Amino acid sequence: DGGITQSPKYLFRKEGQNVTLSCEQNLNHDAMYWYRQDPGQGLRLIYYSQIVNDFQKGDIAEGYSVSREKKESFPLTVTSAQKNPTAFYLCASSIVPQVSAGELFFGEGSRLTVL
Amino acid sequence: GNSVTQMEGPVTLSEEAFLTINCTYTATGYPSLFWYVQYPGEGLQLLLKATKADDKGSNKGFEATYRKETTSFHLEKGSVQVSDSAVYFCALSETTLSGGYQKVTFGTGTKLQVIP
Repeated sequence: DGGITQSPKYLFRKEGQNVTLSCEQNLNHDAMYWYRQDPGQGLRLIYYSQIVNDFQKGDIAEGYSVSREKKESFPLTVTSAQKNPTAFYLCASSIVPQVSAGELFFGEGSRLTVL
Repeated sequence: GNSVTQMEGPVTLSEEAFLTINCTYTATGYPSLFWYVQYPGEGLQLLLKATKADDKGSNKGFEATYRKETTSFHLEKGSVQVSDSAVYFCALSETTLSGGYQKVTFGTGTKLQVIP
């Protein structure tokens, strides 16, 4: 079955450590996205990529980094510069953006907790 | 900028009750509108969508009508089930000026709890 796989599902980090969240899709979608979800705040866009080797900052990119070396993969690194990293992180993808009219396909999420 | 406002939850209903979750939006152009659903511990799934004024999106007994005059996209279901318990997100998307990226703006979500 096609879909988006995020790993790990749960992750604990000590302050000052970088962590990388994995996102893999086999939907053959061009565009991929990372969102952060906090209670009562909806989803906020961290980074997005419309094509391999290209990505753009979203609304809350500070303290995060991404890469898009393969169409299927869009890993997110939460760096020590992110002051409040505890959150639920969601990866999503879509077909060529201007065709999909904003329809997103989501992974099951990764919950990061900073100890 | 664009924004989406949803009624705050949680909403608690008895099984077979009628559901309405209000959603209003602010957008500069002609956005597409969506409802996504998130079951506990999972990602979001598209529930329904409408791409132009007066369109009605429907799926699994849920409906929402794109009302441009009131800038609203309220979610309704005639008879809820326990399995409908989830968080519901209203969202809009609009093409950026550069023409490529479809920026999606989400509401804060409304938690629905259906009790037997």
